[in-house]
Amino acid sequence: GNSVTQMEGPVTLSEEAFLTINCTYTATGYPSLFWYVQYPGEGLQLLLKATKADDKGSNKGFEATYRKETTSFHLEKGSVQVSDSAVYFCALSYAGGTSYGKLTFGQGTILTVHP
Amino acid sequence: DTEVTQTPKHLVMGMTNKKSLKCEQHMGHRAMYWYKQKAKKPPELMFVYSYEKLSINESVPSRFSPECPNSSLLNLHLHALQPEDSALYLCASSLGSRDEGYTFGSGTRLTVV
Repeated sequence: GNSVTQMEGPVTLSEEAFLTINCTYTATGYPSLFWYVQYPGEGLQLLLKATKADDKGSNKGFEATYRKETTSFHLEKGSVQVSDSAVYFCALSYAGGTSYGKLTFGQGTILTVHP
Repeated sequence: DTEVTQTPKHLVMGMTNKKSLKCEQHMGHRAMYWYKQKAKKPPELMFVYSYEKLSINESVPSRFSPECPNSSLLNLHLHALQPEDSALYLCASSLGSRDEGYTFGSGTRLTVV
């Protein structure tokens, strides 16, 4: 079946540090890949996506590249801010049968950025 | 309108109460979803509606009863819940295709006492 594995957290960084959150996946066929962010007390927001191999998704300074050869979709940001403190979820979507674009989530990575 | 609106934001209910959670979207999305999220865990899929018909029930106990009155509205009726059902309940919608992400609401924080 489909699955997503994220690096264990929590991740604690100082402001302006470089961020990488690793994400690898297992899926049949060609899934679409997503990063969602959840700020404290809120729902999930779509951060970025990539729908085919070698696509790069980007938003708000965050980037992730769909690597089919390594089945990975690592999230990166060159300089984090305190406001980036949140939980980050990697997810894949594979439409087959009655999946209706059903999302499979990773376990989530808690990011805390200190001033 | 690019939002999914959920009401109420917070709900406290007793184990014998009946309550409903509401979700609304006006993006023309044809798929709508209910998720349950416990603290520090990923969301767990409960139900999927596609074109107003229930298409997926992830073996959810019958004390949770979903309803989709029309293409813009999704309800979750709650009855005889247990304290372990306390969680954040998230509604989401999508175009239903593989390439589109979901739009999530901000959730209802449910506490069962």
